[in-house]
Amino acid sequence: GAVVSQHPSWVICKSGTSVKIECRSLDFQATTMFWYRQFPKQSLMLMATSNEGSKATYEQGVEKDKFLINHASLTLSTLTVTSAHPEDSSFYICSAISGGLEAKNIQYFGAGTRLSVL
Amino acid sequence: GDSVTQMEGPVTLSEEAFLTINCTYTATGYPSLFWYVQYPGEGLQLLLKATKADDKGSNKGFEATYRKETTSFHLEKGSVQVSDSAVYFCALTGANSKLTFGKGITLSVRP
Repeated sequence: GAVVSQHPSWVICKSGTSVKIECRSLDFQATTMFWYRQFPKQSLMLMATSNEGSKATYEQGVEKDKFLINHASLTLSTLTVTSAHPEDSSFYICSAISGGLEAKNIQYFGAGTRLSVL
Repeated sequence: GDSVTQMEGPVTLSEEAFLTINCTYTATGYPSLFWYVQYPGEGLQLLLKATKADDKGSNKGFEATYRKETTSFHLEKGSVQVSDSAVYFCALTGANSKLTFGKGITLSVRP
């Protein structure tokens, strides 16, 4: 159980285009989802927290107009990188928390999406 | 604020060697503690966890004990395998469920 699927796993796009990344909880309802960014050989940096049906909460320094997050259902959150530029190239990872009390503070991670902007 | 400190890496070991990866933390209240593993090109997988003092988390031969008195959660394995080569992250969650990660350490196991 507790599987999180992230799609696509790898995307290459031209500078100026927008890219959407999907994060789905396959076998549980995710009340909260998180989006992280990871630079090569570094730890994960939390970008934003999204709760189903409400606006995402962005961490300091993360541009909310650049990284649009939608958490439209209890099993799906999307991250759209708008007008992507080469400096947005990175590994993006989502995670989800189950609504069940027992696993309240365990985050289950997707496999990540590698974005390369040319 | 909360923080996690991991020992500096990388670590290179021969197969069947004993592994210890140190992790200490600073947090208010009573955090839950985690070890996550990231294999090359993949996302993070939960390796083990402990939610209160003196709890021992274990999985796949790895163990870590929640030591409140030393604010530590060191990861150990008695005999590593080549397939254990990966990046290991120590992490904690506080009351807001946000994960605070250590910097991660790369483990390479030689045949």
